[in-house]
Amino acid sequence: DAGVTQSPTHLIKTRGQQVTLRCSPKSGHDTVSWYQQALGQGPQFIFQYYEEEERQRGNFPDRFSGHQFPNYSSELNVNALLLGDSALYLCASSLAMGPGDSDTQYFGPGTRLTVL
Amino acid sequence: GENVEQHPSTLSVQEGDSAVIKCTYSDSASNYFPWYKQELGKRPQLIIDIRSNVGEKKDQRIAVTLNKTAKHFSLHITETQPEDSAVYFCAASMFTNAGKSTFGDGTTLTVKP
Repeated sequence: DAGVTQSPTHLIKTRGQQVTLRCSPKSGHDTVSWYQQALGQGPQFIFQYYEEEERQRGNFPDRFSGHQFPNYSSELNVNALLLGDSALYLCASSLAMGPGDSDTQYFGPGTRLTVL
Repeated sequence: GENVEQHPSTLSVQEGDSAVIKCTYSDSASNYFPWYKQELGKRPQLIIDIRSNVGEKKDQRIAVTLNKTAKHFSLHITETQPEDSAVYFCAASMFTNAGKSTFGDGTTLTVKP
């Protein structure tokens, strides 16, 4: 049973560039959430995708966008990168409105983005 | 929106001692409170969680307590071991959507042998 996977592991970009991060959810999960974790801080919720639509969004600018595919995998896109976008980007998957432990979310290993 | 505060930011204990980490939340609608352990360079991993219809939950050396009236919850680790050293995060969300969680800023726990 595959857990949550993310790619790439590390990424270095320069200011103004665009980046795409990818996430495959845990088998059986249909909901993907994205978080930004700056150094020394807790993860901050960016947005969540369910049924290929953005279901919830945190306090992040429109430069952050995403997509969910029919196989439940997801992408996070960040345009016009700023130095402050440097962080660990975590993907988490869960099962929407499921029974039992389905409320639990499982995290991927993250993508470390460095903006120079 | 929800706001979660976590204390202390760092905690150092001797092996075998107990450790307590406390969190408060602001949104009374939150009803699901997980705790995560994150080792250096690794993903957050769920170690225990509690729902608002329960006041306390225990799993071996780890326990979590919840006071809904005061809007605070705590993590208790007994008989600490060096491998318990990590950053611990509390979070709050709705039970029906744990994928939208608000996290505290973390507590760095160091267990000295």
